[in-house]
Parts: sequence; structure tokens; C-alpha cells
Amino acid sequence: GAVVSQHPSRVICKSGTSVKIECRSLDFQATTMFWYRQFPKKSLMLMATSNEGSKATYEQGVEKDKFLINHASLTLSTLTVTSAHPEDSSFYICSARRPPNYGYTFGSGTRLTVV
Amino acid sequence: DAKTTQPPSMDCAEGRAANLPCNHSTISGNEYVYWYRQIHSQGPQYIIHGLKNNETNEMASLIITEDRKSSTLILPHATLRDTAVYYCIVRVAIDGNTPLVFGKGTRLSVIA
Repeated sequence: GAVVSQHPSRVICKSGTSVKIECRSLDFQATTMFWYRQFPKKSLMLMATSNEGSKATYEQGVEKDKFLINHASLTLSTLTVTSAHPEDSSFYICSARRPPNYGYTFGSGTRLTVV
Repeated sequence: DAKTTQPPSMDCAEGRAANLPCNHSTISGNEYVYWYRQIHSQGPQYIIHGLKNNETNEMASLIITEDRKSSTLILPHATLRDTAVYYCIVRVAIDGNTPLVFGKGTRLSVIA
């Protein structure tokens, strides 16, 4: 149990376009999900906390207008990278916790390449 | 969350035990030690966690020193598939509302 599905696993987009990444909790409801970004050979960096039915909380230095997060249901959070630039190329990962006693489960990640 | 220190990299021969150390000298009484690992190009995977007693599951064993200032993750019979970055995280019990914060971890290479 406690499966988090992330889609797509890979995406290539042109500079200036927008890309949406989905994170779904398949067998549980998640009021809170987390979005991370990871550059090559670096650790995961928390970008934002996604809260169902309310605005996301962004970490310092993360542009909320560029990385739009929507958590419209208890099983789905989306991250939209708007007006993508090559420097946005990274590995994006979401996470959620199945209550009451499970640990955090992570999606398989989305590798974004902006050309 | 208490700060952790891990060696940046380690090698281990296939079939041997891999012992990954973690120092957390500023750990508080209500903080747990969690271990996750990340295989290349995948999301992190939970391994094990503990408060003060040693713990064992099907993946690994966790040995926590009596003063709780350090711990060791043991993979008893490492395989090539155990090659990954291993993260030691010290924090209060997971509640679903506060995220995991990852340090740099230890890159374990299991060698045939």
C-alpha cells in the first residue's frame, strides 16, 4: 500500500512553454503533498508544500508564479512549470504520507528537460 | 531537526555487509533516526527508522548507540541493486504535515 504515482516520468519541452506534472496518491488520501527538485549529483531540495483546498507554501527562493501548484483533490497535486527555461531542467519528485502510521512515500520522479 | 553527518561515499563488495554510519550528536530526545535511499533516477525509498532501540526489518538493521549520538545502517548481504545514495534523517515523528529534509547522504557503490 501507500503508492504515489507521478506522471510523466520524462518530458522534453521548448523554452517558453509550460509543463504540468501530476502526483497521485493511488490508495490513500493525502491532504498534504510535497514537491522536491533535484539537480544532477545533488540532494533533494524541497520546493513547496501542497495543501488540499488551500494555497501551497513555497520555500524561500522558489517562485510561486513560476511553479504553480494545485491540490484540488485529496488524491491529486499538480506542479506546473510555467515559461520554462533550460535552467528549470531537473528531476522533480513528489511525496505524501498515508495516514495514520505510514512513512513518506515518494513518486518515481519526473525528469524535465527544457530545450 | 538535528543535523546529521555522513561520509560522502563508500564501497562494498557484493555479498558482504554494508555498514553506513551517521553522526547526529545534537539529536533531541523526541527525534527519530530515519533512513531512506535513492536509486539513480528514482524517488527515495524508506528503509527503516528507530528511536533508541535497535531495529531490523527485511531490508536492513539499524543500530543506534546508547547515547543516541550516532547510528549505523547495516545491509547484511549487499547486492548490486543496493547501489544508491543513502540518507540519514533525524527528526520528530513523521506527521504528514512537515516534509523530510534531505542532506547530502552517502553514495554506496556495491562492487561485483
